[in-house]
Amino acid sequence: QQQVKQSPQSLIVQKGGISIINCAYENTAFDYFPWYQQFPGKGPALLIAIRPDVSEKKEGRFTISFNKSAKQFSLHIMDSQPGDSATYFCAPRPNSNYQLIWGAGTKLIIKP
Amino acid sequence: NAGVTQTPKFQVLKTGQSMTLQCAQDMNHEYMSWYRQDPGMGLRLIHYSVGAGITDQGEVPNGYNVSRSTTEDFPLRLLSAAPSQTSVYFCASSYGQGAETQYFGPGTRLLVL
Repeated sequence: QQQVKQSPQSLIVQKGGISIINCAYENTAFDYFPWYQQFPGKGPALLIAIRPDVSEKKEGRFTISFNKSAKQFSLHIMDSQPGDSATYFCAPRPNSNYQLIWGAGTKLIIKP
Repeated sequence: NAGVTQTPKFQVLKTGQSMTLQCAQDMNHEYMSWYRQDPGMGLRLIHYSVGAGITDQGEVPNGYNVSRSTTEDFPLRLLSAAPSQTSVYFCASSYGQGAETQYFGPGTRLLVL
């Protein structure tokens, strides 16, 4: 059974701080590592994603770090803002059937 | 371009009742799917479709039926609602099963009494 473990469950960060969310996986046959962002009352939306052939990808204040040997990938939000308050999901994609494997989610609260 | 739309937004059912959750997309996506979201459990795949006339089961298909008669529409039917089906349901679509971006609808919140 493929498994994805996301941590922490919840996170409170001061405005301007760095938010870090982690995702660990057990199966090595993943080919795509996305993070989705979900605001209350809305559906998830793709935030940023990385392929296993690179170790880091940055888009504005959002960065994914990928550690293939440790089977982990992380989302870093620099200069966190109250508008970043949302639930974040990692959802790596196995290359066997393309069905995303969703983490349990991290509720992020940015305090002004 | 409305994207992925879902109706209703909220529904209350009594145990044993049946209903259909509607999902439509106007992006000409081949792949559509239904998820349920429960607290602390992420999203779980119920059913999916890789094109009109083709459907398959996901991780938690029991108690649900789907059909895909057109590219645009992918309704989810609850045959006999149970309290365990209380959840938020999301429909998603993408260009193909292997496409990197899934587009989600706003969700339907279902309460089964």
